[in-house]
Amino acid sequence: GNSVTQMEGPVTLSEEAFLTINCTYTATGYPSLFWYVQYPGEGLQLLLKATKADDKGSNKGFEATYRKETTSFHLEKGSVQVSDSAVYFCALSPFTGGGNKLTFGTGTQLKVEL
Amino acid sequence: GAGVSQSPSNKVTEKGKDVELRCDPISGHTALYWYRQSLGQGLEFLIYFQGNSAPDKSGLPSDRFSAERTGGSVSTLTIQRTQQEDSAVYLCASSLGTGANEKLFFGSGTQLSVL
Repeated sequence: GNSVTQMEGPVTLSEEAFLTINCTYTATGYPSLFWYVQYPGEGLQLLLKATKADDKGSNKGFEATYRKETTSFHLEKGSVQVSDSAVYFCALSPFTGGGNKLTFGTGTQLKVEL
Repeated sequence: GAGVSQSPSNKVTEKGKDVELRCDPISGHTALYWYRQSLGQGLEFLIYFQGNSAPDKSGLPSDRFSAERTGGSVSTLTIQRTQQEDSAVYLCASSLGTGANEKLFFGSGTQLSVL
């Protein structure tokens, strides 16, 4: 079956530090890959996505590249801000049609301090 | 509405009681999904609706769980004879369609605690 593994948190960084949150996946075929973010007190929202190998998704300074050879989709940001403190979820959607049945990782909590 | 709305935001119930969780999706969104987030676990798919029908119920953990959607809009997730292991955050999401790359819009969830 499909699965997503992401690094455990919490991750604590100082403002302006470099961020990497690792994500690897197991899936048949060619899934689409996503990062969702959940800010305190809010619902999950899509951060970025990539739909095929070597695609790079980017949004709000965050980037992730779909690496089929390593089955990875690591999230990076060059300089984090306190406002980036949230829980980040890596997810995949199998390209099989019939509903966008996402498989999520367990989430990684990020805390950014001044 | 402006976003996906879920009610109640918190529900505390006693073991053995039935509970109903409600989801109001974004107006015009044909697809609606229920997920469950247990402590230390990722989000677990439960069921999805296309219109009023549920093509995929494979994630419902037992026959105590059921869901319906009426008028292509509001959905209710019902848990009968609740157990302590049902304690979790129940998340609802909607999307315009059901394509693999459709963006899901999530509600803030219902925190269910079974005592």
